[in-house]
Amino acid sequence: QSVLTQPPSASGTPGQRVTISCSGSSSNIGSNTVNWYQQLPGTAPKLLIYSNNQRPSGVPDRFSGSKSGTSASLAISGLQSEDEADYYCAAWDDSLNEGVVFGGGTKLTVL
Amino acid sequence: EVQLVESGGVVVQPGGSLRLSCAASGFTFDDYAMHWVRQAPGKGLEWVSLISWDGGSTYYADSVKGRFTISRDNSKNSLYLQMNSLRAEDTALYYCAKDIQYGDHLGAFDIWGQGTMVTVSS
Repeated sequence: QSVLTQPPSASGTPGQRVTISCSGSSSNIGSNTVNWYQQLPGTAPKLLIYSNNQRPSGVPDRFSGSKSGTSASLAISGLQSEDEADYYCAAWDDSLNEGVVFGGGTKLTVL
Repeated sequence: EVQLVESGGVVVQPGGSLRLSCAASGFTFDDYAMHWVRQAPGKGLEWVSLISWDGGSTYYADSVKGRFTISRDNSKNSLYLQMNSLRAEDTALYYCAKDIQYGDHLGAFDIWGQGTMVTVSS
């Protein structure tokens, strides 16, 4: 059971806008920033969004992140076939045992 | 080119020990905190451990605390993970990852290695 909660799957058609949610608590998302990763099949994860809404160099502006309270979301606009991947949210957790916590991941299918 | 290359993954018996290594290049290694993250076959990502830029602070996931030790040698641009008392549930692809934050840690990983596979089985 992951500390952060994501839907196991999401889908959309090319060109569509899709969002993936990530729910946490006051000790993680509620008090720290959220990061998002994309993992294409058979490859290492790639940082997509950090500090809630910042894109690393090279990440298209089709990808955007937001946070409100103890929840966050990743939005992908202009969906493309190459966006089909697993997406993970993560955040620092300030509970008794500090560390990074991940969501269980969302498998995005482009129909 | 910024790069992380892990090594040391093998098949090991339950209760055994193993040391993973990660060689860094293309960036100033001792300016950044470093992490280990693992992924069991067909499963999601699990953060394992963090070490500060100078090795002075370390953090561990509950699942590995007391069994795993993270360390670094800044003179060799290298990160390590000593794994003791290994269990079947430690079977995973182990990634080393660089923290994006200069001089501190944000817990966001901007550079990942390709991973090294650890299999715990008799």
